[in-house]
Amino acid sequence: DAGITQSPRHKVTETGTPVTLRCHQTENHRYMYWYRQDPGHGLRLIHYSYGVKDTDKGEVSDGYSVSRSKTEDFLLTLESATSSQTSVYFCAIRPGSEGDTQYFGPGTRLTVL
Amino acid sequence: QKEVEQDPGPLSVPEGAIVSLNCTYSNSAFQYFMWYRQYSRKGPELLMYTYSSGNKEDGRFTAQVDKSSKYISLFIRDSQPSDSATYLCAMSGISGGSYIPTFGRGTSLIVHP
Repeated sequence: DAGITQSPRHKVTETGTPVTLRCHQTENHRYMYWYRQDPGHGLRLIHYSYGVKDTDKGEVSDGYSVSRSKTEDFLLTLESATSSQTSVYFCAIRPGSEGDTQYFGPGTRLTVL
Repeated sequence: QKEVEQDPGPLSVPEGAIVSLNCTYSNSAFQYFMWYRQYSRKGPELLMYTYSSGNKEDGRFTAQVDKSSKYISLFIRDSQPSDSATYLCAMSGISGGSYIPTFGRGTSLIVHP
């Protein structure tokens, strides 16, 4: 258990509504990541953060924004959810003590109707 | 060609078999090599990681890296039904300090009693 929680764990929403997913860590790691996982695509990086207020885009960042105002929290926002954003979303942290290993949260299952 | 190739399976074996899971890659800059196990509807969990070439053993699991062939393997001895999961390989090198691993799409393993 790497002390990572995600909320909510499940969410059903409608197309066009904003959605915010939260990732919380208890160990003050600098690097945090948001991935989505879809059948046939594996894990794809959405955004990552390398410190408070320091974020950058991943390979599938369109339609997503992030914020990190505290070390322990990394928020992922879907400004206007679309059905193509139906997915399982994982947050991860990089402790830095074991190379580039990452530890993942339990995931959020999002359905956009 | 994707940077990391991994056969999706499923790979079905009888209990007690030796399992070999493999990934090939194209980027010679990769230095860190990781294996994750993901149970259904759970987040990936780190199994093993190695730096550069060589073997690493942990209980029934052995990770092997052959950088000359750009090929990594995970061996599972005396496989158990509880090993049934999807196995993801991941690898990274220091690239601008972003520490972003590249993941394979995962191999589904089924160990039947």
